Amino acid sequence: GQQLNQSPQSMFIQEGEDVSMNCTSSSIFNTWLWYKQDPGEGPVLLIALYKAGELTSNGRLTAQFGITRKDSFLNISASIPSDVGIYFCAGPRGTGANNLFFGTGTRLTVIP
Amino acid sequence: NAGVTQTPKFQVLKTGQSMTLQCAQDMNHEYMSWYRQDPGMGLRLIHYSVGAGITDQGEVPNGYNVSRSTTEDFPLRLLSAAPSQTSVYFCASSYFADRRLAGGPTGELFFGEGSRLTVL
Repeated sequence: GQQLNQSPQSMFIQEGEDVSMNCTSSSIFNTWLWYKQDPGEGPVLLIALYKAGELTSNGRLTAQFGITRKDSFLNISASIPSDVGIYFCAGPRGTGANNLFFGTGTRLTVIP
Repeated sequence: NAGVTQTPKFQVLKTGQSMTLQCAQDMNHEYMSWYRQDPGMGLRLIHYSVGAGITDQGEVPNGYNVSRSTTEDFPLRLLSAAPSQTSVYFCASSYFADRRLAGGPTGELFFGEGSRLTVL
C-alpha cells in the first residue's frame, strides 16, 4: 500500500527554536495536507497545499509542496509550549479528496 | 458547536465480545469515515461513507462493519473483538471535495476526540 514516511519520528526542542520536518511518498500526490494532533484529541488541519512548489503559511507555520510532488515540508518558527503534539502529513487516496493516507507522524516536545 | 461526537471514550473488551463505537456529526457533512491509530503507523482508513445508505471499505476493513442510515450517524461495529483491534479509533466527517467551490478546503476532515479500545 501507499507509504508516507515522516522524519524525524520525534523531536525534543527548546522553546523559541525553529522546527523542520518532512514527509516523503512512494508516489505522486496532487494535494498535501498537514494535520496536528494535540494530546488526547483528534487531528486538526493546519495547512493544505494544492500545487507543486507552493509555499503556504499559517501564522508561525510554513509548509511547502515539493516540486517532485512526492514530498512536503513543514517548518515551525519560534516554537512555544502549545506546539507540542504529533504532526501528520496526509494526501488523498485515489481521485477523491476525502479519503486520506496519513504519514507515520512526527512527535514534537517543546521544553520550556 | 458539538462537531463530531464519539462514544464511548474508553472501552475494555474480552476477545470475542462485540460492541459498537458511536459517531455523530451535526455539520450536515455528506462524508464520514473511521480511522484507527496505532503507534508508529499514523492513521489508517477502516470504512467510509459518502452519504446515507452508501458505505465502502478503506485500507483495513477486516473485522469491522458499518452502516449509514442517517446523514448524522456512522456507527462502527466489532462483531468478534480480537487483541489486534486494540487501538484508538477516530471518526471524521467532511463535505465532499467539490464543496470547496462554495468555501472550505479540500481534504479538511473534522475529527472526533477518539475512542480508546483495549481487547484482552
